[in-house]
Amino acid sequence: DGGITQSPKYLFRKEGQNVTLSCEQNLNHDAMYWYRQDPGQGLRLIYYSQIVNDFQKGDIAEGYSVSREKKESFPLTVTSAQKNPTAFYLCASSLYNEQFFGPGTRLTVL
Amino acid sequence: GQQVMQIPQYQHVQEGEDFTTYCNSSTTLSNIQWYKQRPGGHPVFLIQLVKSGEVKKQKRLTFQFGEAKKNSSLHITATQTTDVGTYFCAVGTASKLTFGTGTRLQVTL
Repeated sequence: DGGITQSPKYLFRKEGQNVTLSCEQNLNHDAMYWYRQDPGQGLRLIYYSQIVNDFQKGDIAEGYSVSREKKESFPLTVTSAQKNPTAFYLCASSLYNEQFFGPGTRLTVL
Repeated sequence: GQQVMQIPQYQHVQEGEDFTTYCNSSTTLSNIQWYKQRPGGHPVFLIQLVKSGEVKKQKRLTFQFGEAKKNSSLHITATQTTDVGTYFCAVGTASKLTFGTGTRLQVTL
């Protein structure tokens, strides 16, 4: 089955630790995205990538980093510099306009 | 980037009642997309509107793009409990979307 996988579904970390969230897609999509969603809020764009080895900052990139070494993979690192990292993180990919989302990772920083 | 206002923020209806959410922009939009997110789930694409005044239907859902391409609406006729969730509009280019704040719909029997 084609789709986007994110792991893990729930993640707990201590304050001050970096953490990497996984996102893999087998849809052969060129573009991939990372969004952050806080309770009762919309989606805010963190980073996006249109092609392998290239990515751009979104609206809230501070405290986050990404890499795009393979077309299928777009991992997101939440660094200790992110002031309020507890949130629901969603990865998406697209071929044209429609975006396909993964199931998300709920990150809780204790 | 582009900004969109979405209203209402929340609506609670009895099953069988109609529901409408609106998305408004201060600038002319090239297109607008609508997504649905079930509680605890991820957003799922519903539709994209491109033409001025365009109206598209999906069963009980009716989507409309304003004549000036600055606003859009999603109307659900005779809501069902399966319609529960948050409905988002999204605007922007193919490479970068900006999502509205969403309208959360609660349906009770």
